[in-house]
Amino acid sequence: GESVGLHLPTLSVQEGDNSIINCAYSNSASDYFIWYKQESGKGPQFIIDIRSNMDKRQGQRVTVLLNKTVKHLSLQIAATQPGDSAVYFCAESYGEGGSYIPTFGRGTSLIVHP
Amino acid sequence: DTGVSQDPRHKITKRGQNVTFRCDPISEHNRLYWYRQTLGQGPEFLTYFQNEAQLEKSRLLSDRFSAERPKGSFSTLEIQRTEQGDSAMYLCATKKTANTEAFFGQGTRLTVV
Repeated sequence: GESVGLHLPTLSVQEGDNSIINCAYSNSASDYFIWYKQESGKGPQFIIDIRSNMDKRQGQRVTVLLNKTVKHLSLQIAATQPGDSAVYFCAESYGEGGSYIPTFGRGTSLIVHP
Repeated sequence: DTGVSQDPRHKITKRGQNVTFRCDPISEHNRLYWYRQTLGQGPEFLTYFQNEAQLEKSRLLSDRFSAERPKGSFSTLEIQRTEQGDSAMYLCATKKTANTEAFFGQGTRLTVV
């Protein structure tokens, strides 16, 4: 039968466009969020983080937006480049017992066409 | 390179054999996490350590899985009596403190034949 798990949500953009990758998180108690980029055969690489007392944070070419009301995160990448092609994951965590265990969703595959 | 080192990068083993993976963290990082990742999925949490103490192990996939961090520095993840379903990427991540970003190693790709 079909292996649904292999079909990641995919965002396909042209080089130079802005990209927006969305993530719905599950735990309303989560108070720390991270975006990771993962290239094929490599471990996840930290991009940017945000804490629950903020609703926006900017980095170099990236912006993360947090909407706690609807438990939604987005990652905006400005002037997307072919090197940005990868799978992007958001991770949520919360501090019950001081644990802050990063919990990941399935990810979104970003494909940047030259 | 994040500074988190995993060894080996690839491991092929026969079903029923035991395997052990090693993770060397960034030196001042006292938190160490193990994850498993299968194709098309996000990393799945297995267990974590603060220094040498294993603080959460209920998410280890079965009693065939165990992890140690004897001196609070490097850690090992062992899988006994491997099964084909254990084939996956095993990732290690470390943190300096609880509520900061985790840095991942490049992973160990396990194939059970």
